[in-house]
Amino acid sequence: GAVVSQHPSRVICKSGTSVKIECRSLDFQATTMFWYRQFPKQSLMLMATSNEGSKATYEQGVEKDKFLINHASLTLSTLTVTSAHPEDSSFYICSARYREAAGELFFGEGSRLTVL
Amino acid sequence: RKEVEQDPGPFNVPEGATVAFNCTYSNSASQSFFWYRQDCRKEPKLLMSVYSSGNEDGRFTAQLNRASQYISLLIRDSKLSDSATYLCVVGTLGGKLIFGQGTELSVKP
Repeated sequence: GAVVSQHPSRVICKSGTSVKIECRSLDFQATTMFWYRQFPKQSLMLMATSNEGSKATYEQGVEKDKFLINHASLTLSTLTVTSAHPEDSSFYICSARYREAAGELFFGEGSRLTVL
Repeated sequence: RKEVEQDPGPFNVPEGATVAFNCTYSNSASQSFFWYRQDCRKEPKLLMSVYSSGNEDGRFTAQLNRASQYISLLIRDSKLSDSATYLCVVGTLGGKLIFGQGTELSVKP
């Protein structure tokens, strides 16, 4: 089946630094990828829709200047958490739809960010 | 009101039990419906799509009632390996997926 790879799986950083998370579709092209955030014991919350070759679409309440998304190719989207703070500590998951007409999303393995 | 609401968990059941999860959604224009499974600290994986006519996959049966905006998942003959969090997921017209908060299932020997 389709595979989505996410890197790094875990990252610990100091407050004020920026962290980049990569999401790759390994065996298919994804014009659209989605970035989610999940706090412990809570649901996945959609942060933004990443569109290849154009600007990302952010959900209400998500700061676009803090969470920079770049979808430079059909197989790679990146999320950069800028000037990270402890409250940004969370599980970040990307996903991509294998076929535009189908509903199934394939998820990356997730990246656990801890900001000290 | 949350867009997708699920039964609060956790559900603790013995092996072999039948367990049912319920889910309601608020947007009547929702287009697609799914159940995902998420193991602890892992990414969600698709368990099954949910169709208006209802559908079954082995021990799992999913049903959709559009009029009531209600989705269900029935697991028969529970196995230890079924222990996970089950996420009710609704797809919107724009292609976004909205996740419920999940219901944790723990199957005990």
